Amino acid sequence: NAGVTQTPKFQVLKTGQSMTLQCAQDMNHNSMYWYRQDPGMGLRLIYYSASEGTTDKGEVPNGYNVSRLNKREFSLRLESAAPSQTSVYFCASSENGEVQPQHFGDGTRLSIL
Amino acid sequence: RKEVEQDPGPFNVPEGATVAFNCTYSNSASQSFFWYRQDCRKEPKLLMSVYSSGNEDGRFTAQLNRASQYISLLIRDSKLSDSATYLCVVIEYSGNTPLVFGKGTRLSVIA
Repeated sequence: NAGVTQTPKFQVLKTGQSMTLQCAQDMNHNSMYWYRQDPGMGLRLIYYSASEGTTDKGEVPNGYNVSRLNKREFSLRLESAAPSQTSVYFCASSENGEVQPQHFGDGTRLSIL
Repeated sequence: RKEVEQDPGPFNVPEGATVAFNCTYSNSASQSFFWYRQDCRKEPKLLMSVYSSGNEDGRFTAQLNRASQYISLLIRDSKLSDSATYLCVVIEYSGNTPLVFGKGTRLSVIA
C-alpha cells in the first residue's frame, strides 16, 4: 500500500521558473493538503481540498496555486518561483479533513536559486 | 496565527529515563488533539490521539488539560529509537486552518 506519493523528491529551480509538485493517494481519502516546513517555523498549511472539486487557502497561499484533479491527485504549482519558497513541501491526506489525523507523503525538497 | 507552543528542546535524556513534554494552545475552542513524531528529514507520522480522559499506548501516555489549555506526552523507559522531534497538533472546526502544528520538541535519547 503506497499511501501518499509525492514527486519529485528533490528539485532545484532558478528564480522565476515554474514548477508543479505532484501528489497522489491511494487510500480513497476525501481531503488532501499541502504544507511547507521551514526551520524554526514548523509546518504551515498552504492549501487544502476538503473534497474532490473544492480547494481552499490555508495560512500561506501566496505564490502558489493548486488543482484537485480527481479524488486521488492534488497538485501544487509555483508559477514564478522565488527564493523565499525554498522549503520542504509535504502533501497529506485524511478521510475527514477537520477531525481525522493525516497521512503524509515523504516530502519534496525544493531549492530556489 | 493561532498559537500552539512547544518547548523546542533539545531534551537530552539517558536510556530508560522518563521524559515529558507539554504543548500549550491559545484557542479554547480547540476540539481535537494529536501527537506526531518526525524523524530527521522524514515526514511526520501520527503517534497518538489525545483524549479528554487521557490515553496510553505502551510506553506513551497523552493527557489533555482543558482548564489550563495544554496537552502533554509522557514517554517512559526511553529507547534510543525514541529520538525524534515530537509535534503537537490542534484541530479546530472553524477558520482557514483546520489543523495547526506546533513547531516541535526535539528529544535525544543517549546510551
